[in-house]
Amino acid sequence: EVQLLESGGGLVQPGGSLRLSCAASGFTFINYGMTWVRQAPGKGVEWVSTISGNTLSTYYADSVKGRFTISRDNSKNMLYLQMNSLRAEDTAVYYCAKRSPVGYYMDVWGKGTTVTVSS
Amino acid sequence: EIVLTQSPATLSLSPGERATLSCRASQSVSGYLAWYQQKPGQAPRLLISDASNRATGIPARFSGSGSGTDFTLTISSLEPEDFAVYYCQHRSSWPLTFGGGTKVEIK
Repeated sequence: EVQLLESGGGLVQPGGSLRLSCAASGFTFINYGMTWVRQAPGKGVEWVSTISGNTLSTYYADSVKGRFTISRDNSKNMLYLQMNSLRAEDTAVYYCAKRSPVGYYMDVWGKGTTVTVSS
Repeated sequence: EIVLTQSPATLSLSPGERATLSCRASQSVSGYLAWYQQKPGQAPRLLISDASNRATGIPARFSGSGSGTDFTLTISSLEPEDFAVYYCQHRSSWPLTFGGGTKVEIK
């Protein structure tokens, strides 16, 4: 069974840092790009960042560019999101998601991890 | 950045009725559009990819159509479990973007 499990969320002060992790299982991890998507409380979903399977390509939303870094460890089937200089508007549930076979849609999602940025 | 505008924001219908949801792109995305369903407290679920291809396990009452800038998700006869929020998403270029969502609620 294909599974994604996020961890690392929590409460952090504005300006602080947090590292999210996503453990993947049930598929050949290196073959698929992976994406982080977030959802602020009561709001719609927002694409955050994507990394290709071979790690050569990374993409970021303008709202996080220069503050967030996506990475992966294909030997451990792990996806990461390093979040620095956090702002209140980064408060959200963060989902990791697997690329679909046909392209950059998200066909498998984790349950999400909650990040709260507040003093 | 391609902006996806979904309408209506809320659709109030009864079980058994037909639902028609719209997604309009600010520029052509060709056929590179997906639809997702999200229920409260859950992650989104992929329904349709590349405008009209149902994802694995998605019932036939869900269908997608359109190309270029105008797309439609149709639910032919609403089941109780279909009341949820629906999002569209393109993969035409970076950045990927989602629409703002349409909530399908019970009338």
